[in-house]
Amino acid sequence: EIQLVESGGDLVQPGGSLRLSCAASGFTFSTYWMSWVRQAPGKGLEWVANIKQDGSEIYYVDSVKGRFIISRDDAKNSLYLEMNSLRAEDTAVYYCARPGDTSGSYRYRFDYWGQGTLVTVSS
Amino acid sequence: DIQMTQSPSSLSASVGDRVTITCRASQGITTLLAWYQQKPEKAPKSLIYAASSLQSGVPSRFSGSGSGTDFTLTISSLQPEDFATYYCQQYNNYPPTFGQGTRLEIK
Repeated sequence: EIQLVESGGDLVQPGGSLRLSCAASGFTFSTYWMSWVRQAPGKGLEWVANIKQDGSEIYYVDSVKGRFIISRDDAKNSLYLEMNSLRAEDTAVYYCARPGDTSGSYRYRFDYWGQGTLVTVSS
Repeated sequence: DIQMTQSPSSLSASVGDRVTITCRASQGITTLLAWYQQKPEKAPKSLIYAASSLQSGVPSRFSGSGSGTDFTLTISSLQPEDFATYYCQQYNNYPPTFGQGTRLEIK
């Protein structure tokens, strides 16, 4: 069974930092692009960042460029999101998501999702 | 960025009803469109990809159609477990973008 389990969400002050983790199991993690998608309370879904299988390509939504860093550790079957200079508008549930195949052609099609972890940015 | 617009934003229907949700892209996206279902406090669940392909395990009462800029999600006979929020998403262009969601409520 494919599983994605996020952790690391917390209450943090504006300007603070946080590191999210996503533990993957049930598939060969190293062969897939991986993404983070977020959802602000009561709002819709927003893609945040993704990373290629070997980490050689990384992309971010404009609103987090220069503040967030996506990374992966294939030996640990884990995906990470380091979040710096956090703002109130970063408050959201953050989901780890995987595409349906390994080709990369459809890396933005999210067939599998974790349960999410809540990040709250507030003083 | 491509804007995805869903209509209606909310919809009330009864068990057994046939329901259609529309999604329009601000520019052509071929058939690279997905539909997701989300229940309260749960993660989104993939229902349909490539505009009309059903994910494994998704009931056949769900169907999708469309290409270019106009797409539809149809539920042929609503079941109690179908009351949820539905999102469309384009994955033809970078960055991927989602519709604002359609909340399907029990009448």
